[in-house]
Amino acid sequence: QKEVEQNSGPLSVPEGAIASLNCTYSDRGSQSFFWYRQYSGKSPELIMFIYSNGDKEDGRFTAQLNKASQYVSLLIRDSQPSDSATYLCAVNMFGALDTGRRALTFGSGTRLQVQP
Amino acid sequence: GAVVSQHPSWVICKSGTSVKIECRSLDFQATTMFWYRQFPKQSLMLMATSNEGSKATYEQGVEKDKFLINHASLTLSTLTVTSAHPEDSSFYICSARGIAGGTHTGELFFGEGSRLTVL
Repeated sequence: QKEVEQNSGPLSVPEGAIASLNCTYSDRGSQSFFWYRQYSGKSPELIMFIYSNGDKEDGRFTAQLNKASQYVSLLIRDSQPSDSATYLCAVNMFGALDTGRRALTFGSGTRLQVQP
Repeated sequence: GAVVSQHPSWVICKSGTSVKIECRSLDFQATTMFWYRQFPKQSLMLMATSNEGSKATYEQGVEKDKFLINHASLTLSTLTVTSAHPEDSSFYICSARGIAGGTHTGELFFGEGSRLTVL
């Protein structure tokens, strides 16, 4: 079982719709969770992070975390063609032991296609 | 957010030569940097963790003698691909964890990436 799992997609949604991206993780001790967006040929860029159970909203993006069920999701409202990219879920699995010297664990990414 | 700069963005070299890629944290000190490799349409693969002033930690299956990492200062890490072969052609990306006021902020900041093509 992979430590961080994502559906590879592609997930295709029409422009203006809500895109829902999901991620599950295996380590119950994980403390912080990150969503990155990666355009083809470019390096990943951070969209948002979440530490606490519940929802966190930032503009058109909402991250949702459920530690009991070990999943984290990203909702993109009013999807735009420019949102078409691969979305990477990343998990910090080291919790209180994290000193910043360990890499985040990444999922394989979900490719999102927003149809005009 | 913090800025991580990577150079060169593109490099083409002949088989058998060595290529050095630099990664700099521009506005923060990074005691630890991470080097990733990504093949087309595949996920990020962590190659090694670069620690300032000490030896790098390599992931399983990554040849330390082929991918030399040097982290000589708190703002610079280099990756040298030695005796490059066509199968080493890939997108190499460095990253660093943010440190602010002695407390890490958790997220990874990525450099722009370096696309290596070995002929």
